[in-house]
Amino acid sequence: AQSVTQLDSQVPVFEEAPVELRCNYSSSVSVYLFWYVQYPNQGLQLLLKYLSGSTLVKGINGFEAEFNKSQTSFHLRKPSVHISDTAEYFCAVSENTNAGKSTFGDGTTLTVKP
Amino acid sequence: NAGVTQTPKFQVLKTGQSMTLQCAQDMNHNSMYWYRQDPGMGLRLIYYSASEGTTDKGEVPNGYNVSRLNKREFSLRLESAAPSQTSVYFCASSVSGRGVEGEQYFGPGTRLTVT
Repeated sequence: AQSVTQLDSQVPVFEEAPVELRCNYSSSVSVYLFWYVQYPNQGLQLLLKYLSGSTLVKGINGFEAEFNKSQTSFHLRKPSVHISDTAEYFCAVSENTNAGKSTFGDGTTLTVKP
Repeated sequence: NAGVTQTPKFQVLKTGQSMTLQCAQDMNHNSMYWYRQDPGMGLRLIYYSASEGTTDKGEVPNGYNVSRLNKREFSLRLESAAPSQTSVYFCASSVSGRGVEGEQYFGPGTRLTVT
């Protein structure tokens, strides 16, 4: 069975600083990996996804993530954050034998301060 | 396209009352999901439907029932609401199966309070 651990529940950062949100996963088969963002009082929306190929994937709003198979990690990064990036971020994994049913991490609340 | 829609957006129930949360998607997805979201606990899967005519329990199914009415619609029923079911409920849908991309598309959520 797959599982996901988001290593930080809250990440405060100042505007224009870089940020990294950490995600580790475990699975016995090949996986697909996702990051979702949830703005206050909204549903989740896809930020980026890793399916195969290049281990560095770029998403919306200047975010990127790197798949590291040996460390079973999929950390999310942004070189310079904005106030509008304040949101909750979820890492998710699904096994490529039955993609669609994903396991979600507990979420990381990113707070960007002026 | 509307994507995934949920009704109602807000609901207050008294303990013991029943209600049905409605969800519909217009993306021709075969899989649909119901989650609940509580502070500090992320998303927990209540039930899912891999395809029309099938439903399976998720992580926290007790106190809930579901119906996959057709490919578009997937409803969640609380037969006898309890305060522990106070939560935000999200419906989602995805393509599923071997080799597909499988990202999920979420509705805007239903905020349910049980007093």
